[in-house]
Amino acid sequence: SQQGEEDPQALSIQEGENATMNCSYKTSINNLQWYRQNSGRGLVHLILIRSNEREKHSGRLRVTLDTSKKSSSLLITASRAADTASYFCATDHAGNKLTFGGGTRVLVKP
Amino acid sequence: ETGVTQTPRHLVMGMTNKKSLKCEQHLGHNAMYWYKQSAKKPLELMFVYSLEERVENNSVPSRFSPECPNSSHLFLHLHTLQPEDSALYLCASSQAWGSNQPQHFGDGTRLSIL
Repeated sequence: SQQGEEDPQALSIQEGENATMNCSYKTSINNLQWYRQNSGRGLVHLILIRSNEREKHSGRLRVTLDTSKKSSSLLITASRAADTASYFCATDHAGNKLTFGGGTRVLVKP
Repeated sequence: ETGVTQTPRHLVMGMTNKKSLKCEQHLGHNAMYWYKQSAKKPLELMFVYSLEERVENNSVPSRFSPECPNSSHLFLHLHTLQPEDSALYLCASSQAWGSNQPQHFGDGTRLSIL
């Protein structure tokens, strides 16, 4: 079964607002990654957070990881129209492969 | 420009045709991946190559045949496909094979089976 599940499935916000999406998983992980996919394009790596880390920042992105709750969140602050995309979490649960969730579609309205 | 180039970007083929998808990475990476992305389904890993050797084959039907002639090139040979094989096929690469490695994706080949 799929390892990571994003919530919500879709999110619509106004430019300048913050966007938060969550990822839950079932079994323990070594690390968790977030990716962005613009329409018609491939996935772009955003952030990797290891199981012994609780929070990471990259520009306007903030990722948290709560291993006790088996969940992660991605926060985009001061959103822009260019942030309109689908966002995926990916977990490693065994071996050397990543398992991707179904994604959250984010629409940022100007 | 992600450093991973996929061709063609779009492909329409009949069920009896044979075609190939090509992926080239200019990043000096040692691992390459094929994924299938279907509507309303999570990304599915198909194959992984590390240093030109196949290290992962995720129960993919034999009508999909991968080839990795060198660490920069990856092919996916297609024959006798089914309508349910219509999807976006994404190639990715990483510095090394491992789930702690960020993956760099191409923009995919949109495949439609008639």
